[in-house]
Amino acid sequence: DIQMTQSPSSVSASVGDRVTITCRASLDISSRVAWYQQKLGKAPKLLIYAASSLPSGVPSRFSGSGSGTDFTLTISSLQPADFATYFCQQSNSVPRTFGQGTKVEMK
Amino acid sequence: EVQLVESGGGLVQPGGSLRLSCAASGFSFSSSALTWVRQTPGKGLEWVSSIGGSGTNTYYADSVKGRFTISRDNSRNTLFLQMNSLRAEDTAVYYCAVTQNGYYFHWGQGTLVTVSS
Repeated sequence: DIQMTQSPSSVSASVGDRVTITCRASLDISSRVAWYQQKLGKAPKLLIYAASSLPSGVPSRFSGSGSGTDFTLTISSLQPADFATYFCQQSNSVPRTFGQGTKVEMK
Repeated sequence: EVQLVESGGGLVQPGGSLRLSCAASGFSFSSSALTWVRQTPGKGLEWVSSIGGSGTNTYYADSVKGRFTISRDNSRNTLFLQMNSLRAEDTAVYYCAVTQNGYYFHWGQGTLVTVSS
């Protein structure tokens, strides 16, 4: 199975900050990675797919980059609605696997 | 608007069975692959099973293979997960999700399954 390792596990930030979360795959997965946002008690929401594509309706302050084994989710200017937990996920092979999550907390 | 509504969760004893349902609307159901993903505080998000649009192709995590069966009724726009021989480690919130190229574009609200005596 491909392991997805996220860092950091949590980050404290303020509104307006730039926040970067990384995800490392245990094997080369090309650009087959997604990022999800999850708020407490809610289902995950797709933010980024294919490493850098945004689904319709996702704000442009979210961006993704990377290929191979190293990937990054960036929030360019943190908004109050962005305090949540973020997960990466690989779609390169079955079983699909997720990172352990990064909690973005208010500083 | 895409809507996915899971049901069928609850408390069950170890060794018991449950059948989860996911009622779907707002998209082309029979053309869409669907997936069950579960989440626990300890193990995080875990892919459980996926099914193609026609229902012919199915895939399972090793942890549930031989115990869980995914199926769909395209005439009723409903996805199912039959869970047998349940174990304590199957305790989780179970989500259904619309799947494209291995990405989960839309999720239901989840249904809680608790396996305990």
